[in-house]
Amino acid sequence: DQQVKQNSPSLSVQEGRISILNCDYTNSMFDYFLWYKKYPAEGPTFLISISSIKDKNEDGRFTVFLNKSAKHLSLHIVPSQPGDSAVYFCAASGGSGYALNFGKGTSLLVTP
Amino acid sequence: DTGVSQNPRHKITKRGQNVTFRCDPISEHNRLYWYRQTLGQGPEFLTYFQNEAQLEKSRLLSDRFSAERPKGSFSTLEIQRTEQGDSAMYLCASRLEGSPAGQYFGPGTRLTVT
Repeated sequence: DQQVKQNSPSLSVQEGRISILNCDYTNSMFDYFLWYKKYPAEGPTFLISISSIKDKNEDGRFTVFLNKSAKHLSLHIVPSQPGDSAVYFCAASGGSGYALNFGKGTSLLVTP
Repeated sequence: DTGVSQNPRHKITKRGQNVTFRCDPISEHNRLYWYRQTLGQGPEFLTYFQNEAQLEKSRLLSDRFSAERPKGSFSTLEIQRTEQGDSAMYLCASRLEGSPAGQYFGPGTRLTVT
């Protein structure tokens, strides 16, 4: 049973514009959420995280928004760059030290 | 390079053989995790260690899978009597308990069972 869902398998955005990647979760016990980026033949790279006590966390061009009532989070990348082209995974856990539950990923393509 | 390393990067084996993968975490990280990723899916949690203690192993896929971290440093994941369905990428991650950062992943070991 997929507890973390990324319903868009792919997204294409022009360079300089905003990329918005979405994620929904079903388990109300999740209280720690992360985004990872993955290039082919590499392991996932940690991007940004947010705990359930916050609704927004920002790190440079990356901002994660959490809507607990809707069980929804999103990753905003502004401005998007061609080097951002990768697969982005949303992950959630019941606590920051525990196992991560991943979505299936969204493949982002940023075109020049 | 002080990241998480995994060896081998690729392993091809015949059905029925045993395989063992190694993970070396970031040196100060006391938590170590194993995941499996198949095509088109996100990583799927298998097991994790805090130092040498294996705290969760109920998600190992079958009793053919086992993991160890004998001295609280590197870890090994063994699959006995491999099956074609075991073909996947096996990922290791580590984390320092109490750190706000996420788990740091290695490059993975790609297993192909023929």
